[in-house]
Amino acid sequence: EAGVTQSPTHLIKTRGQQVTLRCSPISGHTSVYWYQQALGLGLQFLLWYDEGEERNRGNFPPRFSGRQFPNYSSELNVNALELEDSALYLCASIIRRDRPNYGYTFGSGTRLTVV
Amino acid sequence: AQSVTQLGSHVSVSEGALVLLRCNYSSSVPPYLFWYVQYPNQGLQLLLKYTSAATLVKGINGFEAEFKKSETSFHLTKPSAHMSDAAEYFCAVISSGGSYIPTFGRGTSLIVHP
Repeated sequence: EAGVTQSPTHLIKTRGQQVTLRCSPISGHTSVYWYQQALGLGLQFLLWYDEGEERNRGNFPPRFSGRQFPNYSSELNVNALELEDSALYLCASIIRRDRPNYGYTFGSGTRLTVV
Repeated sequence: AQSVTQLGSHVSVSEGALVLLRCNYSSSVPPYLFWYVQYPNQGLQLLLKYTSAATLVKGINGFEAEFKKSETSFHLTKPSAHMSDAAEYFCAVISSGGSYIPTFGRGTSLIVHP
């Protein structure tokens, strides 16, 4: 089965621009999580989508937003990019939110560089 | 609330030596615990998981971890390090019946010397 796929793999943007990152979960997985991995800061929880709804968001400003589509794929939007937004953005999926015992599968990430 | 602490941002071992990466968690309810590995410029790959069955969990690539409730620990071990084990390792916790959002530790970089 295909894993979690993310696009694009790399992206360079200018400060102040907007960016959209995409994630396709494993077929049948309904829950999608977004994490930011900035250098030296580990994984910071950004957003959680489940069954098409935003269920929770981390401690990030409103310029970070996203949505989940009927096919459970998801996109992450970041407006008014700042230099500190440079990071690896990781998407993970799980078959159902109440089945953590199945484990979370991660994509390879999108490397965003803001200059 | 749930949290994870990984002791040591870097661990250095010689090839063939024992690998021990430490993880302590905090959870008000029985947790699910995970270890992930991240190779450079890649995503996270699941090594193993504890889901309230056996307390000693075996994973891929010869790694294993033991859940110790009394110590709130879930340390990762491997009897003999290989050069290919050099990577970043993350411990994660999620509380059963909780927020369904995994919380990750800051990560431990494993360095393997020849």
